[in-house]
This record gives sequence, C-alpha cells and structure tokens, in this order.
Amino acid sequence: AQSVSQHNHHVILSEAASLELGCNYSYGGTVNLFWYVQYPGQHLQLLLKYFSGDPLVKGIKGFEAEFIKSKFSFNLRKPSVQWSDTAEYFCAGGSRSGNEKLTFGTGTRLTIIP
Amino acid sequence: DAGVIQSPRHEVTEMGQEVTLRCKPISGHNSLFWYRQTMMRGLELLIYFNNNVPIDDSGMPEDRFSAKMPNASFSTLKIQPSEPRDSAVYFCASSGQGWGEQYFGPGTRLTVT
Repeated sequence: AQSVSQHNHHVILSEAASLELGCNYSYGGTVNLFWYVQYPGQHLQLLLKYFSGDPLVKGIKGFEAEFIKSKFSFNLRKPSVQWSDTAEYFCAGGSRSGNEKLTFGTGTRLTIIP
Repeated sequence: DAGVIQSPRHEVTEMGQEVTLRCKPISGHNSLFWYRQTMMRGLELLIYFNNNVPIDDSGMPEDRFSAKMPNASFSTLKIQPSEPRDSAVYFCASSGQGWGEQYFGPGTRLTVT
C-alpha cells in the first residue's frame, strides 16, 4: 500500500535555527515526491518536487530536500528559518506515471518564534 | 495563467440546504481533485477525475455528496442536504501531463449552521 508518514506533528524553532522535517514513504515501484506549504488561512503551494536525477532538490524560499532511497526518506531542510516560514508543511508521494492521486502525509505544523 | 479558480470563497448556509461548490482547473490540465480539510481530520481526498471521468470517489463521505465534471474547464461538488459536520475548507486542485504535481485553488470555506 502507498503511504507517506510525517512523524513530527508540531515543531517550534527560533528564528535563524536550522530546520529538518521528516518524511518517509512506502510505495511500490518508482515514486515522485513533493513538499507543499500551507501558510495560515491559505491554500497548499508547491515548495519542491523530486522525480529523478540529483537526489538533492532545491525549491523556493531557500528550502531543499534530499531523496534517500535506502531510507525511504525525503526530508525537508532549511539552514536558517524566518518568522515568515511559520506554516504547515505537507509531504506527498505519487506514482511515476503521473495523473494519479497523491498520497499526503498528515502535515507538520512549524512555528517560528521571533 | 490565473491558476485554479474556486467559487464561492465563503459559504454560510443552514442545515438541510443544498450547497454547490465550483472549480475551474488550470487550462490544459486533465486531472482534477476535490479535497476537504478540517482540524480534526486533516486533508482528505474526496474524488478525482481524469479527462472528465471520475476515477476514484472512495473518499466521498456519503450519498449526500456528489461531484461532476461536465467538461475540461468546470467541475462542481454538491452537498444535499448539508449538515453542520460538513463545515470545512474544500479545495480543488488540478494537474497536467507532467509528473503529478497538483496545483491548488484558494479553497471554499463552508460553514453549515
């Protein structure tokens, strides 16, 4: 069965701290992986995506994620967070064929303290 | 591109009334998804369409919910009759012939009193 797990439900950091949010997936076959961000009161926006190639993917706003196949992980990182990064972050996976539904994790709420 | 368009943005209705939510996907996208988001249940996929055909409606909570996609540029999600527990934010998303990334609309915040 396809599944995406985010074990951190709520993370609280101070500004300038480094961030790493965990994401693990379980998929049969090859998988496309995504991170989405949802700012308070807004819709989900695509942060970055991995399809193939370089396992280190860079996205918008200084975020990056590393695909580690041996660990079935796709963790999100940012070296120095800002107060404006306060949001909910969702990891998602989909089959390589595309045009099918994504499986979303339960989300991680990130609170940045000024 | 205008992105995914949803209307209305806010809907307040009384229990028992019919509610219709509307979505216009990004032009050229051939897959459309309806989600519901609540604090208690998080983000739930209700139904999705490929090329206007419903593929998976296993997330539709009950017969009170129905969705249609009469053409490539329009979809509706209808709740009849509505109940207070249907209160949520309903998102529509679309994706194209790419690698499956979905683009979300701004959502409709539904309140059923």
